[in-house]
Amino acid sequence: GAGVSQSPRYKVAKRGQDVALRCDPISGHVSLFWYQQALGQGPEFLTYFQNEAQLDKSGLPSDRFFAERPEGSVSTLKIQRTQQEDSAVYLCASSRGTYTDTQYFGPGTRLTVL
Amino acid sequence: EDKVVQSPLSLVVHEGDTVTLNCSYEVTNFRSLLWYKQEKKAPTFLFMLTSSGIEKKSGRLSSILDKKELFSILNITATQTGDSAIYLCAVGDQTGANNLFFGTGTRLTVIP
Repeated sequence: GAGVSQSPRYKVAKRGQDVALRCDPISGHVSLFWYQQALGQGPEFLTYFQNEAQLDKSGLPSDRFFAERPEGSVSTLKIQRTQQEDSAVYLCASSRGTYTDTQYFGPGTRLTVL
Repeated sequence: EDKVVQSPLSLVVHEGDTVTLNCSYEVTNFRSLLWYKQEKKAPTFLFMLTSSGIEKKSGRLSSILDKKELFSILNITATQTGDSAIYLCAVGDQTGANNLFFGTGTRLTVIP
């Protein structure tokens, strides 16, 4: 596609529910990143994929967070047993190469946990 | 720990004014510094800077990097209401997994 797309754009979950957020990167982009952006803050790194391999998940805040990119294109970020502190905008970004810093961002998913 | 600090946190100007946004950083192995504009949701790419002293320019926006003093500035001349956004500075670290470290951003409001 022309840009990075994410779905859903908005998600409201009750505390304890599981959610799945989807990211469609720019076609052919090797690298895919997930970021979490709290209100009034800059994006914070969660995890990084190079093709289907998850090379870095050091930013995932707990073991309730899980990400996958099984075929090296679409990625899903799953949050189990959501908590109120998980409320944030989740941004996905992709970049062309493996050491190409220009990342192109999707519109994000705003997650609200009640 | 890598750190990116932006200033001011927010800024209100009138149309036609010129603004300068600041970004200072501390990273272990600097690779590049990027500026993004964030309106509503998706940060949109503005500039990537890797070398000191070379100005990058796009229309009314320009940016420059000082790798000795560890900072960058983003200038916007003849501001317009459409420039109202959050401007994010991010730094790429060679030792990281290519992820970017972001500052908290500068919220620019341009009033008519």
